[in-house]
Amino acid sequence: KAGVTQTPRYLIKTRGQQVTLSCSPISGHRSVSWYQQTPGQGLQFLFEYFSETQRNKGNFPGRFSGRQFSNSRSEMNVSTLELGDSALYLCASSLEGLILFFGSGTQLSVL
Amino acid sequence: QQQVKQSPQSLIVQKGGIPIINCAYENTAFDYFPWYQQFPGKGPALLIAIRPDVSEKKEGRFTISFNKSAKQFSLHIMDSQPGDSATYFCAATGAQKLVFGQGTRLTINP
Repeated sequence: KAGVTQTPRYLIKTRGQQVTLSCSPISGHRSVSWYQQTPGQGLQFLFEYFSETQRNKGNFPGRFSGRQFSNSRSEMNVSTLELGDSALYLCASSLEGLILFFGSGTQLSVL
Repeated sequence: QQQVKQSPQSLIVQKGGIPIINCAYENTAFDYFPWYQQFPGKGPALLIAIRPDVSEKKEGRFTISFNKSAKQFSLHIMDSQPGDSATYFCAATGAQKLVFGQGTRLTINP
């Protein structure tokens, strides 16, 4: 089985722009979660989608949004980028949300 | 109640030593406790996991010890190797919630 695929791998944006990150889960997995990882901050939970519905949400501002498509692929959008949004964004898929399989992430740099 | 507290933040051990990483949780609804290992440039990967009806689980050189009454669990790495150098995250799951610890950066010196 192919693993979790995240695109793009690297992204450079400037403040005020918006960005969309993509995640293709493992075939058959209906749950997709997104995490932000910064040095010293660990894994910060953004949101989880299950069968196209947002099931859980972390404590991030409304600038961070996501969606899941009928084929379980997911996208995450960040609008009005800030310098502090520079981070590694990780997507993880699972069958039911408990055991996560992570992608390699998208490294976002905001200048 | 949703937090998982992980310590230490960083750990340096000589090759062959036994690094120990500790985690504590509050929510008694948690019923599955996985550990993830993350190498630079990669996402975390499931390493080993335990359920609270078991006090210890071993997989190769990795062992989880679980103390249900104290609500604590720990990861031990026997005969540690430089290739074990990575960041380790404990986690707790239950009631459709998954909470990660803050992570431990482990360095094994040759």
